Amino acid sequence: AQSVAQPEDQVNVAEGNPLTVKCTYSVSGNPYLFWYVQYPNRGLQFLLKYITGDNLVKGSYGFEAEFNKSQTSFHLKKPSALVSDSALYFCAVRDEGGGADGLTFGKGTHLIIQP
Amino acid sequence: NAGVTQTPKFRILKIGQSMTLQCTQDMNHNYMYWYRQDPGMGLKLIYYSVGAGITDKGEVPNGYNVSRSTTEDFPLRLELAAPSQTSVYFCASSSRGTPYEQYFGPGTRLTVT
Repeated sequence: AQSVAQPEDQVNVAEGNPLTVKCTYSVSGNPYLFWYVQYPNRGLQFLLKYITGDNLVKGSYGFEAEFNKSQTSFHLKKPSALVSDSALYFCAVRDEGGGADGLTFGKGTHLIIQP
Repeated sequence: NAGVTQTPKFRILKIGQSMTLQCTQDMNHNYMYWYRQDPGMGLKLIYYSVGAGITDKGEVPNGYNVSRSTTEDFPLRLELAAPSQTSVYFCASSSRGTPYEQYFGPGTRLTVT
């Protein structure tokens, strides 16, 4: 079985400061890892993914994520937060050998950027 | 290019009623999915389809049915609605080449009372 943990329900950051949203995962094989963002009353939007290669993955809107195999983590980061980054962020995982039956999502982390 | 569209946006059902949530994508994606999102619980997969005529159960299929007669459409049927089905429902699609990069619709907020 695969699973994702997002240990923080909410993260508060001042505008202009760096932000980190944490994610840890568990899969039996090699992981495919994803971050999605959800704005109020909208569907989820794809931000970035790690499949293979460099551990630091760059995505949309200046976000990046670092894959750490030894710590089974895939934390989302941004060097300088914007108020418009405030949203609900989901980490998701899929085992490399898995089928087409979707992704396993974490519970989500509310990111609040304070002006 | 509308992407993934869902109707209705909101619906209130009485216990025991039935309804169909519509989902259409115009990206010629083979894979389509239905998720439900409950507060603080993330998304749970209800059903998915890898192509027209092929559907399979996800993590929480009880109380739901789906069909996939065309590539574009993937309706979700609720029979005998129950309060436990109060949720926000999202349809998503992806291409066979990048199956885990999913495109989501705007969601349907369903309340069963």
